[in-house]
Amino acid sequence: QKEVEQNSGPLSVPEGAIASLNCTYSDRGSQSFFWYRQYSGKSPELIMSIYSNGDKEDGRFTAQLNKASQYVSLLIRDSQPSDSATYLCAVLFYGQNFVFGPGTRLSVLP
Amino acid sequence: NAGVTQTPKFQVLKTGQSMTLQCAQDMNHNSMYWYRQDPGMGLRLIYYSASEGTTDKGEVPNGYNVSRLNKREFSLRLESAAPSQTSVYFCASLEQGYQPQHFGDGTRLSIL
Repeated sequence: QKEVEQNSGPLSVPEGAIASLNCTYSDRGSQSFFWYRQYSGKSPELIMSIYSNGDKEDGRFTAQLNKASQYVSLLIRDSQPSDSATYLCAVLFYGQNFVFGPGTRLSVLP
Repeated sequence: NAGVTQTPKFQVLKTGQSMTLQCAQDMNHNSMYWYRQDPGMGLRLIYYSASEGTTDKGEVPNGYNVSRLNKREFSLRLESAAPSQTSVYFCASLEQGYQPQHFGDGTRLSIL
């Protein structure tokens, strides 16, 4: 059974703080990892993709991957109220089999 | 630049009725997917099609059928709708391999 777990929320941070979102997965052979943001009533939109160990930065977002420990995280620096959403971690297992975590709801308080 | 288009956006059915959800993409992507999302849960894969002419079951295929009509279109059919199938349904596509998926806007389906 391929599983993707995320830290339970909701997570609340003050405006300007760093939000840290975590995700663990069950299969060491996974190669591709994605973070999606989903606003209430909307479809998921891609924020970051990461394929190799280490950090990947894009603006205020940093994805971190550690394949040996089977976790991937997303840091949001200088959090803004507009970052309030549910964040979904997705892992590509063998072939075309994407598995999503349950999501972490983030609230950024003004 | 439409991307992934789903129709309809909303639908209410009675138990036992049948319905087909439509999905079309204009990005020339090879793979297409159908997910359902229930409150407080992530996306669960129903079926996917890695290429035209092929379909495979995902995590929750029972009660659903799919058709990959051509490279652009991938439909999801509920033959005899049940209240447990009340959900938001998302279609997604990707070009190939390790690339991320692109999602449609979703279909909100209620079954009474």
